[in-house]
Parts: sequence; structure tokens; C-alpha cells
Amino acid sequence: EPEVTQTPSHQVTQMGQEVILRCVPISNHLYFYWYRQILGQKVEFLVSFYNNEISEKSEIFDDQFSVERPDGSNFTLKIRSTKLEDSAMYFCASSEAARRIYEQYFGPGTRLTVT
Amino acid sequence: KQEVTQIPAALSVPEGENLVLNCSFTDSAIYNLQWFRQDPGKGLTSLLLIQSSQREQTSGRLNASLDKSSGRSTLYIAASQPGDSATYLCAVNSGSRLTFGEGTQLTVNP
Repeated sequence: EPEVTQTPSHQVTQMGQEVILRCVPISNHLYFYWYRQILGQKVEFLVSFYNNEISEKSEIFDDQFSVERPDGSNFTLKIRSTKLEDSAMYFCASSEAARRIYEQYFGPGTRLTVT
Repeated sequence: KQEVTQIPAALSVPEGENLVLNCSFTDSAIYNLQWFRQDPGKGLTSLLLIQSSQREQTSGRLNASLDKSSGRSTLYIAASQPGDSATYLCAVNSGSRLTFGEGTQLTVNP
């Protein structure tokens, strides 16, 4: 069964460093998403991406964050100048063409620890 | 702004019991609602998707209902098993984003 994959599973970085989290969405999906979950808190939406551009972003997704689809398979989240409060589990998700109708499938997550 | 609330926050039941998890949302203008399962430190596994036009969706021992006008959904788990122990998350789709509740932590005791 097709699944969303994410690498790395755990990333440790120092405050102020840049990190790139990588995702491979399900191959025939056209909508891609990033969510995060701070330990003990709700899963929060960050950004959705379609046709090589951001379709929606939350108030969390400020200039520190960027997303890219560098090739036909990968979808990345870049965090510039990480802060302690960026420590969280980051989930990538994807869905088929009609974002309002179709199910979102989530990857296993990348645990980001900022020290 | 959409807000999603789940009750109870935690539930402990003996094996074999039927149980109901509740989810409520503030804005009834939704496209669909998904129920997820999350094991500790793991990702989100989609259990059921219920479209806004549907009242009910079933998968195995799971049954989800949706009352869009009142802003409520329930997840019914029949004949619970220890392997059902996990956190169950409700999420509503009001556009391209999912808005999640805080989850119900379920423990099924053998």
C-alpha cells in the first residue's frame, strides 16, 4: 500500500541553525501539507502546497519557514535559524486532486529537537 | 476560527466493552471529518473519513457518525481490544487545512 515517507526520523540541531525536513508524498497525489505537534499539544497546520505554490498557510508559517518541491518526488520544509520553540514532531501529508474531498495521508513524522 | 474539542480527554475500559468517543467543532461549514489513531511517539493513522454529506461511515469495528448542523461527531468502537489502546484524534477539513482536537487517550485493559 502506498505511503508517505519522511526523513530523517529524528533531527537534533543547535539553535540558530537551518534544517531541512524531507518528505516523499504518495506518487499520484497532488496536494501536500506540513503539520507540527509540539509535545503534549494539538497537531497544528502549517502549510498546504499545490501546483508548485503555497495554497494556504497558518499564522505559524512565518518567514522562518519555506517549502519546496525540488523534483518530482520530494517535498521539503526548511526552517531557517531554528529556535528552541521549534522543537516538535513535524508531519508531512498528501492527498489526491480535490483537496476538499479527499483523505489526507500522513507520514511517520520527523522529531526535531533544537538545543 | 474553527475550534475542535474532544471529550473525554482520557478513557480506560475493560476489554470487550463498547465505547464512544466524542468530537465537537464550532464552525459547521466543513468539507469532511477524519478520525485518526496515534500511538505514542508515532505518526497519524487515518481510520475513517466522513464527508459533510454523509451521516455515518463504518470500517470493521469502527463506526463514525457526523451531525454537521450541531457540530458533532462520534467514533464508536465495538468489542474493544488491548490493541485499540492509543490516542484518537478528530480533525475537520474546512478548506485545505485540517483542524485537530486534542485527542482522547484510550486504554483497554485485558
